[in-house]
Amino acid sequence: AQKITQTQPGMFVQEKEAVTLDCTYDTSDQSYGLFWYKQPSSGEMIFLIYQGSYDEQNATEGRYSLNFQKARKSANLVISASQLGDSAMYFCAMREGQGGSSNTGKLIFGQGTTLQVKP
Amino acid sequence: DAGVIQSPRHEVTEMGQEVTLRCKPISGHDYLFWYRQTMMRGLELLIYFNNNVPIDDSGMPEDRFSAKMPNASFSTLKIQPSEPRDSAVYFCASSIARPFGETQYFGPGTRLLVL
Repeated sequence: AQKITQTQPGMFVQEKEAVTLDCTYDTSDQSYGLFWYKQPSSGEMIFLIYQGSYDEQNATEGRYSLNFQKARKSANLVISASQLGDSAMYFCAMREGQGGSSNTGKLIFGQGTTLQVKP
Repeated sequence: DAGVIQSPRHEVTEMGQEVTLRCKPISGHDYLFWYRQTMMRGLELLIYFNNNVPIDDSGMPEDRFSAKMPNASFSTLKIQPSEPRDSAVYFCASSIARPFGETQYFGPGTRLLVL
């Protein structure tokens, strides 16, 4: 069965420093997608970044990058130059299939990591 | 562009009452998902639709829960009768099929409290 593990319930980082949030996954599929979402205290779920299992390069979106290590089945989120507004819960998620008509669409979420940025 | 719209944003009801949650997906998106978030179980998929057709409802907890998508721009999740253990945040999300990597965009959620 598919599984997402986030081992860090809570993390602290100093403003302007970089932080890595860990995510490991378990799947027997060759084709899958990995996502990171941010959930601030207001409660909405904000999409941050996506990595496909066949993507050869690590995904980047502004200050967010995904450190994808396929052999280790890890997809860590790196936030550079942390800002106070980055304080939130962060969820790693996985979906079977790369997309398109064969995609199951179902996202499996980890338990989340709470990040607090210190001024 | 308008994102996923959910209503109501907050709902407080008494046990045994019927609750209807509403969702308008992003225009042009052909997948719609209903998720539930609780402290105990985290985020879990309840049901999803493709082109208005339910594809996987294996996450629906029991017969008290039902979901419909009568057209491409509207979906409902109904709980009848509601119970205190249904208290949670219910999210609707939508996406569009692409060859690779469609992203699910979430609505703001409906915070449900059943007394």
